[in-house]
Amino acid sequence: DQQVKQNSPSLSVQEGRISILNCDYTNSMFDYFLWYKKYPAEGPTFLISISSIKDKNEDGRFTVFLNKSAKHLSLHIVPSQPGDSAVYFCAASAPNFNKFYFGSGTKLNVKP
Amino acid sequence: KAGVTQTPRYLIKTRGQQVTLSCSPISGHRSVSWYQQTPGQGLQFLFEYFSETQRNKGNFPGRFSGRQFSNSRSEMNVSTLELGDSALYLCASTDSQETQYFGPGTRLLVL
Repeated sequence: DQQVKQNSPSLSVQEGRISILNCDYTNSMFDYFLWYKKYPAEGPTFLISISSIKDKNEDGRFTVFLNKSAKHLSLHIVPSQPGDSAVYFCAASAPNFNKFYFGSGTKLNVKP
Repeated sequence: KAGVTQTPRYLIKTRGQQVTLSCSPISGHRSVSWYQQTPGQGLQFLFEYFSETQRNKGNFPGRFSGRQFSNSRSEMNVSTLELGDSALYLCASTDSQETQYFGPGTRLLVL
């Protein structure tokens, strides 16, 4: 029973353009969401988070949008750079849950 | 502060053997979680320890077990290894803001 889904296993974007990675969840109790970036043979690196009291959080080139009614989360990267090529995971957690539910990841390829 | 460390980084075992992986969390973090990542899969939650007690558990068979010591270091054990246990095992420690910090992982290959 996958509570967090990333339906696009891969995404290819030209350098300088916008990358949009999507994530859907099913549990309405989730109130805290994170995005991680992972390079091959390394552990995931925390990128950006958002709590359910917000609908947008921005950090440099990275912006996360949260649509609670649609149970949908997205990560925008603008402008995309070749170094952004990695697998991106979204994760969600409910109150008092010290466990995160991860999506299966989206592999982003930014072409020079 | 030093990050999360995991040892060993790489391990090769044969079917039927057992393996113990170690994780040292960031200093001050009391929660340690373990995840398995297999090729083409997302991270799958194994279990989480807090103050030496298992607080959450994922849907893995009993061959997968863990423990946490008083210094918050954690070990994960897999007995009777199967080929399908080949994976990257990640450990994460959690701060008071519920943000997880991952270690580099232990890559286990079962032959």
